Amino acid sequence: DAGVIQSPRHEVTEMGQEVTLRCKPISGHNSLFWYRQTMMRGLELLIYFNNNVPIDDSGMPEDRFSAKMPNASFSTLKIQPSEPRDSAVYFCASSTFGETQYFGPGTRLLVL
Amino acid sequence: SQKIEQNSEALNIQEGKTATLTCNYTNYSPAYLQWYRQDPGRGPVFLLLIRENEKEKRKERLKVTFDTTLKQSLFHITASQPADSATYLCALLSGGSYIPTFGRGTSLIVHP
Repeated sequence: DAGVIQSPRHEVTEMGQEVTLRCKPISGHNSLFWYRQTMMRGLELLIYFNNNVPIDDSGMPEDRFSAKMPNASFSTLKIQPSEPRDSAVYFCASSTFGETQYFGPGTRLLVL
Repeated sequence: SQKIEQNSEALNIQEGKTATLTCNYTNYSPAYLQWYRQDPGRGPVFLLLIRENEKEKRKERLKVTFDTTLKQSLFHITASQPADSATYLCALLSGGSYIPTFGRGTSLIVHP
């Protein structure tokens, strides 16, 4: 298995632009998580999907952030409009029944 | 509020020695505790899981203890090697929850 796949690996954009991050979970996993990691705040959960349904989005910072999971093999995290404080590494992780999480390589986002 | 504490200062040790990392928590009753390894530029990788009714778990050179009275987990790497240098994160899960809460991680540096 290729593991969790994320794209792009790096994204540099200007403030106000829309950013879309993509994730392909491991086949057969029923849970998907989006995290954000910064030096200041560590690894923070943004949203959790189970069987493609958003279960907990309490970590989504504000309305500028949205996430979708249209099917079991694909999820997106969108930021519109982006701001410099959104600069971070965004990780997608998947799991089966939540015990062990398998993380993707992350997307390093820089908003200028 | 729930709090997970890991030493923010890097742990420097000599090759061949045992490294011991600490994870303390408050206002939390975890059913599971996990340890992950994160290398620079990569996502966290799962290492070990220990349940609340287990005192100790071993895997090759790794050992984890879980003391629910002290609200603490210790992570040991015996016969440490420079390749063990990384950041190690602990994560806690409550019973019935699939959403882990991660600590900020401790950086381990093993000197040859």
